[in-house]
Amino acid sequence: DAKTTQPTSMDCAEGRAANLPCNHSTISGNEYVYWYRQIHSQGPQYIIHGLKNNETNEMASLIITEDRKSSTLILPHATLRDTAVYYCIVKDSNYQLIWGAGTKLIIKP
Amino acid sequence: GAVVSQHPSWVICKSGTSVKIECRSLDFQATTMFWYRQFPKQSLMLMATSNEGSKATYEQGVEKDKFLINHASLTLSTLTVTSAHPEDSSFYICSARPPGMGTRQPQHFGDGTRLSIL
Repeated sequence: DAKTTQPTSMDCAEGRAANLPCNHSTISGNEYVYWYRQIHSQGPQYIIHGLKNNETNEMASLIITEDRKSSTLILPHATLRDTAVYYCIVKDSNYQLIWGAGTKLIIKP
Repeated sequence: GAVVSQHPSWVICKSGTSVKIECRSLDFQATTMFWYRQFPKQSLMLMATSNEGSKATYEQGVEKDKFLINHASLTLSTLTVTSAHPEDSSFYICSARPPGMGTRQPQHFGDGTRLSIL
């Protein structure tokens, strides 16, 4: 079973920041949080990952709470092409990615 | 960087045919690659872990004689679906993990192969 919980779906207006929450209350001290997204009929795309510090790259920012029990992925200026299913993942005890249902993000014009 | 190429992107074939799917890491060497399967409106399910120079590790419930995996080089893994039947129709996706940082390194995925068995 996935070790994370995410909302089933979210809407966001084009040009606005999209904030996608993720709960991972059972995360252990050395486990990273990974974010991927999957656009329809394509393979998953890596976005970002982090341990405890906030991270930023050219695609997104990742904000991790101090207790590490939750995190938020931020797409600063969402475009229509950001419509996808976003997955927040913590690896299992065998270091494998366990894919939950993710959040279906719909960017509206 | 960290580009993974998968070929073919779409296959339609008759029942009983064997189908080979290739997964290549284009700009890095990967001792470990992964094969996933995704049915419509479902999430990815790991089928097996492909290890360069050794046997693949299959997840529970995945028939190793039906899904043959070969990882003959550091940049190529192949998945062969043998004697495919309509229930094998699915979206097959591979991934590879660049070296360094061990298991913490993120996996990078190919664009998937949509397999349709008639």
